[in-house]
Amino acid sequence: DARVTQTPRHKVTEMGQEVTMRCQPILGHNTVFWYRQTMMQGLELLAYFRNRAPLDDSGMPKDRFSAEMPDATLATLKIQPSEPRDSAVYFCASGLVGFEAFFGQGTRLTVV
Amino acid sequence: AQSVTQLDSHVSVSEGTPVLLRCNYSSSYSPSLFWYVQHPNKGLQLLLKYTSAATLVKGINGFEAEFKKSETSFHLTKPSAHMSDAAEYFCVVRVSGTTDSWGKLQFGAGTQVVVTP
Repeated sequence: DARVTQTPRHKVTEMGQEVTMRCQPILGHNTVFWYRQTMMQGLELLAYFRNRAPLDDSGMPKDRFSAEMPDATLATLKIQPSEPRDSAVYFCASGLVGFEAFFGQGTRLTVV
Repeated sequence: AQSVTQLDSHVSVSEGTPVLLRCNYSSSYSPSLFWYVQHPNKGLQLLLKYTSAATLVKGINGFEAEFKKSETSFHLTKPSAHMSDAAEYFCVVRVSGTTDSWGKLQFGAGTQVVVTP
C-alpha cells in the first residue's frame, strides 16, 4: 500500500537547535508539498516542488526555514535556529499533476 | 483569487442522523475541489474530489458532495452519521499559480464534527 512516510513522527527540541524533518513521497509522484498545521492558523502551505524543483516557497520564513529535494525519494524541511513559535505539526504530501495529494502522518514538533 | 469558506466551525449530530458540512468557494473559473478528513492525531485522508466531471461526487465511507456552480457551493453530506465520523473535515480548492497551471491546495479553516450516541 503506497504511502507518504515522514520521519520523525515526534520531535522535542530546545530553542536555537536545528531541526530536520524528512519525507519520502509516493514513488512516481512528481509534486511534493510541505504544510504546517497549528490551532491558530490552520493548515498553511510552506513550500512545494515539482520534479524536485521548488515552485513556491512564499509561505516559508526564509531566514530560518529551508526545503530541499536532494533526490526524487527524499524531501527535507529544515529549521535553523528553531523557535517556540515553530511548534506545530508539519505535513508532507505528494501527488501527480492534475490529481489529488496524499498526506503523510505528520511530524509533531515541540520547541521548548 | 481562489479560496474556500467553510461556514461552520463545529457541527454536532446524533448517531444515525444526516450530516451536512457547508463549503462555499470563490473562483473565476471551474475549480477543482476536494474534501479531506483528519481524525485525531492522524494525517489527512481524501474523502472525495470534483474535477469538472459529474456534479454529484461520491466518496468513501458513504460521503458525497454536490458541486453547484450557481451557488458556488460544494457541500458534503452523509445520510446517517456513525461514531467513527467524528473528525475534522477540510474543504480544499486547487489554486493555480503564475508559474504552475496545476497549482497548490488551499485549505478551508475546517469543520469539527462531533457525533453523539
